[in-house]
This record gives sequence, structure tokens and C-alpha cells, in this order.
Amino acid sequence: GALVYQYPRRTICKSGTSMRMECQAVGFQATSVAWYRQSPQKTFELIALSTVNSAIKYEQNFTQEKFPISHPNLSFSSMTVLNAYLEDRGLYLCGARGPSYEQYFGPGTRLTVL
Amino acid sequence: GQQVQQSPPASLVLQEGENAELQCTYSTTLNSMQWFYQRPGGRLVSLLYSPSWAEQRGGRLTSSAASNESRSSLHISSSQITDSGTYLCAMAGGSNAKLTFGKGTKLSVKS
Repeated sequence: GALVYQYPRRTICKSGTSMRMECQAVGFQATSVAWYRQSPQKTFELIALSTVNSAIKYEQNFTQEKFPISHPNLSFSSMTVLNAYLEDRGLYLCGARGPSYEQYFGPGTRLTVL
Repeated sequence: GQQVQQSPPASLVLQEGENAELQCTYSTTLNSMQWFYQRPGGRLVSLLYSPSWAEQRGGRLTSSAASNESRSSLHISSSQITDSGTYLCAMAGGSNAKLTFGKGTKLSVKS
């Protein structure tokens, strides 16, 4: 079946430092990979969308300078949170869409910033 | 931008065995919608995926849509205590893969 793995599941970093998270789609061809963030008391916000043969598109309020993403092949993506501060804490989810357009999500990386 | 309104807002409490109906309304033309269950640890589990407003069924779950009202519903029949958790709807519009999420409804099923 279609699965999405994310690593790490939880991470703690000091304010001002950076952390990298990874996402891998297994069992299907991912035509796009999207990164979302669920902040405390909020719903999911799209950070950026990476589609095959297209540049990575960032949503308003999110920039490549702050959340650089690497998407070297269809099944693997990584995102770094640079210079993390308290407002960056939350659950970061990676969603991959297959040919049927249904999205599959990983378990998320929960970021705590001290 | 695209807006998704989910109801009941925030939370819903049911007695075991009762039916539940959750709804989402959308502010723009919809290509597909997807209902998720979020586990306590945060993982999103896809419940039903519905392209083109088609009704979907899966066990005790049914999703229906009314395209002229830009609304979709998730019906949970004969609720069980293990159904407790947060349910989110998400819509995709246009040809891209972007999902816009509702704020979620926290369902509590009590014995």
C-alpha cells in the first residue's frame, strides 16, 4: 500500500538553531509533495508544494530562505527549518499525492523550540 | 483565498450508538475533497477521498457532497468510543495538489 514516512518523529531545538526533517513516499509514485504545519490551536497551513517538473512553490508567509526544501526524486523530500523560534513550533506534516490525486500523509515531525 | 468552514465547530459529544454528521463548506469551486481522522499523536489518516463530488462509502462512514451548495458531509453511523478524535475535511481546487483544511471537529463518543 501507499505509505509516507517522516523522520524524525519528534525533535527539540534551541531557539535560533536549525533542524532538518525528511519525508519518503513508499509504494506509489508521488506526483507531488507538500509540506504543512499545524501550529498549536490552528489547522494545517501549507508551507510549500513541490510538483514533478515544476519549481517548488511557497505559500504566502513562508519562504525558501526560512524553509529550504530539497526534492531530489519523486519519493524523497527534505525540509529544513532555519533559525527556528517559538512561533515555528508545531507538527510538520508531509503529504504526497499519487496518480489518483488522493493525498497520503506521514506521521509528522513534532518540533519543539526552547 | 480558498476557505473551508467546518461544522460543528470545535467539538461534538455523542452517546455510543448515535449517528454523527460533520459538514464542510467551501468558498470556491471544488475538484475533490478528502476527510481525515487525526490520531492523538498527530498522524492524519485518510478516511474517504472523493473526486468530482462523488459519494463515497467505507464501513460506517459515508461522505456525500452537494456541489450546488459547495458542501460536503461525513456521516458516521452507530458511533463507537474508538471513533473519538479529531476529524478534518480538506478540499483541493484547480489542477494543483494543494489541500485547504478545515479547522477540525473534535468528536467525543461516550458510553
